[in-house]
Amino acid sequence: AQSVSQHNHHVILSEAASLELGCNYSYGGTVNLFWYVQYPGQHLQLLLKYFSGDPLVKGIKGFEAEFIKSKFSFNLRKPSVQWSDTAEYFCAVIWHFVSNFGNEKLTFGTGTRLTIIP
Amino acid sequence: GAVVSQHPSRVICKSGTSVKIECRSLDFQATTMFWYRQFPKQSLMLMATSNEGSKATYEQGVEKDKFLINHASLTLSTLTVTSAHPEDSSFYICSALVRGAYYGYTFGSGTRLTVV
Repeated sequence: AQSVSQHNHHVILSEAASLELGCNYSYGGTVNLFWYVQYPGQHLQLLLKYFSGDPLVKGIKGFEAEFIKSKFSFNLRKPSVQWSDTAEYFCAVIWHFVSNFGNEKLTFGTGTRLTIIP
Repeated sequence: GAVVSQHPSRVICKSGTSVKIECRSLDFQATTMFWYRQFPKQSLMLMATSNEGSKATYEQGVEKDKFLINHASLTLSTLTVTSAHPEDSSFYICSALVRGAYYGYTFGSGTRLTVV
């Protein structure tokens, strides 16, 4: 079965530090890749997504992610984090197969809790 | 655009009663909606896929008779937790698949269910 792995369960950084959160998925083929953020007490918000084209994707709030097909990875980065970036971050993948056309399911990774220390 | 409204945001019910959660697409037609369950400090687990006008497709291990899903129109899907028990207490989130130029998922704000 397809799966999404986020190896960093909890990351603690100081403000202004650089961030990289890992995301790997288990199976190749045609994929759409997403990063979502969930601030405390709030619902999921889309940070960025990759469908095709330039593998370096820029999202909101200064986040970016790089799709490396050969490594099945889609790591999230930010050059300088802020205290307000404290949240839970989820990587998610849609696999496109002929068999699931019209019912594409979003599979989430286990999430990474990011804590920024002022 | 592509907003999903979910309510109630919080509900407390007694064991043995049923609770209905609504998920509405406000500015688009959602032929496919998804229901997730999120345990504290864990990821979202897909419970079922809801297609307008047809039966929902449940993930393995999800009890169909306990979690009734109805998608009667292109803008409304409902999840009814029947005969609720304390172990059903969780955060339930709906999502709709947005097609076209803005292909992707949009999420409701979630419902915190507490069964006492």
